Parts: sequence; C-alpha cells; structure tokens
Amino acid sequence: LAKTTQPISMDSYEGQEVNITCSHNNIATNDYITWYQQFPSQGPRFIIQGYKTKVTNEVASLFIPADRKSSTLSLPRVSLSDTAVYYCLVAPSGGYQKVTFGIGTKLQVIP
Amino acid sequence: DTEVTQTPKHLVMGMTNKKSLKCEQHMGHRAMYWYKQKAKKPPELMFVYSYEKLSINESVPSRFSPECPNSSLLNLHLHALQPEDSALYLCASSHGGQEIIALHFGNGTRLTVT
Repeated sequence: LAKTTQPISMDSYEGQEVNITCSHNNIATNDYITWYQQFPSQGPRFIIQGYKTKVTNEVASLFIPADRKSSTLSLPRVSLSDTAVYYCLVAPSGGYQKVTFGIGTKLQVIP
Repeated sequence: DTEVTQTPKHLVMGMTNKKSLKCEQHMGHRAMYWYKQKAKKPPELMFVYSYEKLSINESVPSRFSPECPNSSLLNLHLHALQPEDSALYLCASSHGGQEIIALHFGNGTRLTVT
C-alpha cells in the first residue's frame, strides 16, 4: 500500500487559491489518487479522483505529474466554509480497497 | 445529508452492555466498510465487506463483531467494550467496480463507553 505524506496544517485567507500537495513515492501502476474533505463530527466527503495529468470538477482540481509520485489538490477562491481536514488517499482500482488514511492537512481559512 | 445512513447518531453504553450500530446504503455499492475515528486522528480501517463477505479484518478485538445481512446493510455488534473504545464509528461504501474507488461515508455514530 502506498504511504502518503501531507503537510499537517495550512492557513489561507478567504478568496485565495489553496494548493495542498501530497507525496506518494511508492504509488503502484494500478493505484488511483483520491482526496477527501472532513468537517468535525462528520464523515469524510469525497472531493476528487485522478490517475494522471489534471482532473477538474465543480469543487477542485487535481494535478498529477507524469511520475505520479505526488499530487496537488487545488481549491479555487476558498471561503470560511472550506476550513476542514483534507486527506489524500491512494488505492487500487477495482473491487474493494484496503484504504488507509494518513494524518491529513488541517486547512484554516482566515477572514 | 449523505447517501449512507448510520443509526444511532449517538450512543452511550456501559461496559457490560450489548448494542449494535447500523449502516444502510441504497446506491447499489458492493463494498462496505467500518472505520473508527478518535478525536483529532484520521479514520482507522476496521472491517471491509465485499459482496456481503468479510474480506478484511484489521486485527480488531472480538468485542466488535461485524455483520452484513444483505448488500444494503452493515451492522457492527458491540459487547463488553472498554472506555478507550469511545470514538466516532464511520460506515462507508464503494462501488466495487473498476476505476471507481470513491468511498461514500455516513456521518457516523458517536459512541461513548462508560
């Protein structure tokens, strides 16, 4: 299983773009990268999934370089409601997954 | 609101009690998971069911007993718990198909063992 490393915490002002980078040096060929957001006392919420290059949805963008050893979650123009813990996970496609969470990044958005 | 429903939202139980946590999803997902989350820590995987069969048990103590009665339901039976078992218990499901690995979580059951 690929181990992930993220910054423990980040601060950002409202309206700024936030980039959170995750390192996953031993990612396997059939592994996908997913990101989750978690608010206190709620379950994690799936944000975005990618395999390579760039993926964008209505919430975020995910940038994955060619070697796939890292990925960057980009949140455009954050608001106070984006204050949460963000987890990067790596898991193989297909069937069930032994998905384990790293420590995550606590993003604090400042007014 | 989430598509994975967990009941109850809160549970207080004594160390000699027997209780059950329930999880339900109607997305047609074939994999279901139990996670345990302590305060300010990431979720820890406990069990995984795939097509209603227990596929992963992360060396969880036998006082936690999972059950998957059908593809939509997942239970966690609790017996003789310890105060250190107090935590947020999260259920999740995933499609189980190729290239679709997103986990869908419920909002958890906050368990307090007294």
